[in-house]
Amino acid sequence: DAGVTQSPTHLIKTRGQQVTLRCSPKSGHDTVSWYQQALGQGPQFIFQYYEEEERQRGNFPDRFSGHQFPNYSSELNVNALLLGDSALYLCASRTPQGFYGYTFGSGTRLTVV
Amino acid sequence: TQLLEQSPQFLSIQEGENLTVYCNSSSVFSSLQWYRQEPGEGPVLLVTVVTGGEVKKLKRLTFQFGDARKDSSLHITAAQTGDTGLYLCAGAITNAGKSTFGDGTTLTVKP
Repeated sequence: DAGVTQSPTHLIKTRGQQVTLRCSPKSGHDTVSWYQQALGQGPQFIFQYYEEEERQRGNFPDRFSGHQFPNYSSELNVNALLLGDSALYLCASRTPQGFYGYTFGSGTRLTVV
Repeated sequence: TQLLEQSPQFLSIQEGENLTVYCNSSSVFSSLQWYRQEPGEGPVLLVTVVTGGEVKKLKRLTFQFGDARKDSSLHITAAQTGDTGLYLCAGAITNAGKSTFGDGTTLTVKP
């Protein structure tokens, strides 16, 4: 049973560019959340998608946007990249019944130069 | 703003020693999770606690949820080198909502 898969694993972009990260949730999970983890810090909540809609959003600017597809997979888009956007981007999925914790992917390491 | 504070930030011990790490907040959580994360990987769920005063054991790891559901502790008995990693706690205010993470405790177990 595949867990959460993310692609790509690593990415290097230039300031001002745009990036799209992809995530496939664990089988049986329908809710996807995205987190940003800077070096030496805990994951910070970006947003959560359920039934193809953004349900909750953290304290991130509009440059961060997302999408969820009918098969529950999700994309995170970041426009006008800044050096400070360099981080590990984590996708997490959960079951539709109750909340007993997330299953995380291995993340995408984004470096902005 | 929900804030989870974890202590200590760093912990370095010898194999065989016992240790306890803490997770504290002023918020009441409907559930609290502990994760372990290794470099370059995503966090891996260790346990979820939901009831105030609850104690859960996972082999040599003992997790406790505070009576008021605002804090938690993780105790490791006879630490092994394989326990090395970043231990993160995360709290959820509601079952449908987001989880807020602490900044973690980096544990190094030396042989």
